[in-house]
Amino acid sequence: EPEVTQTPSHQVTQMGQEVILRCVPISNHLYFYWYRQILGQKVEFLVSFYNNEISEKSEIFDDQFSVERPDGSNFTLKIRSTKLEDSAMYFCASSRGRRPEAFFGQGTRLTVV
Amino acid sequence: RKEVEQDPGPFNVPEGATVAFNCTYSNSASQSFFWYRQDCRKEPKLLMSVYSSGNEDGRFTAQLNRASQYISLLIRDSKLSDSATYLCAATRGGADGLTFGKGTHLIIQP
Repeated sequence: EPEVTQTPSHQVTQMGQEVILRCVPISNHLYFYWYRQILGQKVEFLVSFYNNEISEKSEIFDDQFSVERPDGSNFTLKIRSTKLEDSAMYFCASSRGRRPEAFFGQGTRLTVV
Repeated sequence: RKEVEQDPGPFNVPEGATVAFNCTYSNSASQSFFWYRQDCRKEPKLLMSVYSSGNEDGRFTAQLNRASQYISLLIRDSKLSDSATYLCAATRGGADGLTFGKGTHLIIQP
């Protein structure tokens, strides 16, 4: 069964450093998403990406965040200058579009120290 | 981004019992609704979509009431493996992301 894959599974970084989280969405899906979940809190939408551009973004997705689809398979989230409060689980998801069901990757646990 | 509300629980239920969760959403523009299951420190996994006519998948039944803006999930003959957090989610569709509730924690006791 096709699945969304994310790397790395865990990343520890120093405050102020840049991180890139990587995702390979399901191959025939058209919409790609990033979500985050701070420990003990709800899953929060960050950004959606369709047709090689950002479609929607939340208030959380400020100027320190960016997304890119550098090739036909990868979808990345970059956090330019990490803060302690960026520590969270980051989930990538994808959907076919016509059917809005979104499927999630296993997540990247980001720890900012 | 409007809210989705759920009772956080925990719901402690004996094995074999029937349990029901409700979820309310505030964005009347929401078109599609889902129940996800999330195990501790894992990703949300799609359990089922929720349709206006109601839908059933084995022991699980989901209902949508658009007039009252709530969604329900019924689990019959609960099993120990049903222990998890159940997340309700809504979206306007297309590129609109999912708005999740905080989840309802279910504990099935032997």
